[in-house]
Amino acid sequence: DVKVTQSSRYLVKRTGEKVFLECVQDMDHENMFWYRQDPGLGLRLIYFSYDVKMKEKGDIPEGYSVSREKKERFSLILESASTNQTSMYLCASSERSQPQHFGDGTRLSIL
Amino acid sequence: SQQGEEDPQALSIQEGENATMNCSYKTSINNLQWYRQNSGRGLVHLILIRSNEREKHSGRLRVTLDTSKKSSSLLITASRAADTASYFCATDLPGTNAGKSTFGDGTTLTVKP
Repeated sequence: DVKVTQSSRYLVKRTGEKVFLECVQDMDHENMFWYRQDPGLGLRLIYFSYDVKMKEKGDIPEGYSVSREKKERFSLILESASTNQTSMYLCASSERSQPQHFGDGTRLSIL
Repeated sequence: SQQGEEDPQALSIQEGENATMNCSYKTSINNLQWYRQNSGRGLVHLILIRSNEREKHSGRLRVTLDTSKKSSSLLITASRAADTASYFCATDLPGTNAGKSTFGDGTTLTVKP
């Protein structure tokens, strides 16, 4: 079975901190994705990557950046955390044009 | 605005009843997928239906797709308490080179024992 592992289930950070969320997949998938999920707003795509060192902006990239130095790892970076970035963050991976496999999410609180 | 929108937002039924959830979308698609999310967990893929398919089955799940109406439905038959979860549709657009999907807001299903 595909396993997508997010480094933390719960994370609490302070406003202005630089925050790193890590995601690792074990199935050699080409595509990796970062979403945030908020009540009433569904899943919104922040960034995705279709190859090592390749990235494309999703629907809400402002305030975020990403890094994909190795195929199995996709990191989401909050450059200067703000309270409106408190959310559930979900990572996913997939083969090209195949269904996505999700991690269990990181619930991030910015105080 | 979202490509996919689920209806209803919330559904509550008794165990053993059938549950039907609907998804509408705005533009032409390559395929449509349904996912399930248990509380506090990630999404799990249930079923994928391609734009040239009209119906697909998987166990107690039945998915239909009407491209002329730009809509899909997910039917769960003989529901169980363990089916309690949120269900999302997701669409892949033609020409999308990376399998990028657009998700709806989800339907929250509660199955009472």
